[in-house]
Amino acid sequence: QQPVQSPQAVILREGEDAVINCSSSKALYSVHWYRQKHGEAPVFLMILLKGGEQKGHEKISASFNEKKQQSSLYLTASQLSYSGTYFCGTRGWNTGTASKLTFGTGTRLQVTL
Amino acid sequence: DAMVIQNPRYQVTQFGKPVTLSCSQTLNHNVMYWYQQKSSQAPKLLFHYYDKDFNNEADTPDNFQSRRPNTSFCFLDIRSPGLGDAAMYLCATSRLPWGNEQFFGPGTRLTVL
Repeated sequence: QQPVQSPQAVILREGEDAVINCSSSKALYSVHWYRQKHGEAPVFLMILLKGGEQKGHEKISASFNEKKQQSSLYLTASQLSYSGTYFCGTRGWNTGTASKLTFGTGTRLQVTL
Repeated sequence: DAMVIQNPRYQVTQFGKPVTLSCSQTLNHNVMYWYQQKSSQAPKLLFHYYDKDFNNEADTPDNFQSRRPNTSFCFLDIRSPGLGDAAMYLCATSRLPWGNEQFFGPGTRLTVL
């Protein structure tokens, strides 16, 4: 099953913060986050491998709650360059699901002046 | 720079006329993936190779085939394209299937007339 992301879309003013959530119905081995700009390929942001792990990349960070099978992406002091569609990608624990990413439903983020 | 290259970037074909999309990588990664992405949707995995081992997704139509003649190259063959096959096709690579980030190529946009 495809992970569900919320919100589906969000509009921010430059400098504002945002949180994007990713929720899975299955136990997760890892969560990946990607950003895709219109007409371009997805670009890797970060990967979370352990339950409770938090990682950061400049002003973008993420957390992974293994028990709840959820991950959240935090964008702080958003910049115009943050605009795009954000996808979480999840890996499961069994052999069949560990070797591939299942992408979430996506969150379209637009940052305006 | 090490990268993932897809050719062509844009492909127009006629209904039912076979088409081949190509992907090459200079990253020397063991795993290569093919995704289909339709407008406003998440990338959907079609199949992947771990070295020479081919893994087909259960819901990938028989119309789609793939070849990986060597580590660097992977091809997607669409034997009889239908209008519903019009999409962006993304190739991605990763060093290992588990827990590794995926590097995406720029994609091939396929139009079916």
